[in-house]
Amino acid sequence: DAKTTQPPSMDCAEGRAANLPCNHSTISGNEYVYWYRQIHSQGPQYIIHGLKNNETNEMASLIITEDRKSSTLILPHATLRDTAVYYCIVRGSGGGADGLTFGKGTHLIIQP
Amino acid sequence: DTAVSQTPKYLVTQMGNDKSIKCEQNLGHDTMYWYKQDSKKFLKIMFSYNNKELIINETVPNRFSPKSPDKAHLNLHINSLELGDSAVYFCASSQVRNQPQHFGDGTRLSIL
Repeated sequence: DAKTTQPPSMDCAEGRAANLPCNHSTISGNEYVYWYRQIHSQGPQYIIHGLKNNETNEMASLIITEDRKSSTLILPHATLRDTAVYYCIVRGSGGGADGLTFGKGTHLIIQP
Repeated sequence: DTAVSQTPKYLVTQMGNDKSIKCEQNLGHDTMYWYKQDSKKFLKIMFSYNNKELIINETVPNRFSPKSPDKAHLNLHINSLELGDSAVYFCASSQVRNQPQHFGDGTRLSIL
């Protein structure tokens, strides 16, 4: 699985859009971009994933650049409960049962 | 209903003891995982288990052994506990490799 690079921390004002960047310049054609988050003292929570196209669900939007070397997770209206560590993970679609490789993530702090 | 449940939530025990952590998922998933999160908050895969295929992270000591009585359960047995085993252990499950993983709330293991 390709390596990812994320800023260690970010701040965002409550009610504003939080944009979390991720670089994955070595991503290969069959690898997906996944985003998870971990709120303090809880297990990681899946947010969204995508291959090439932009994706949106009830939690967030995922924007993947055309060359697929970077992506941005967008939380459209951040709330205090969105304060968490956000992990960008690149993962292939092949078979097998190996787990996720978590990096250090981005600690997003939502300010009131 | 809780999708992935772990018991116990907290486990405090003495060095040298043998202990088990249980994990159950009611999502009908085929693959289950164990992760360890150390004091520095790094999340690392320990094991994944799919259709009787066990994939072991090579860095995991053989004192740790997963046991799966059926597809919905993957328990973690730890022999001769050491101080360095103190961590939070997370169980997770997914349908197949490139599908989102669902995590439990973790078991906080403290070795005295």
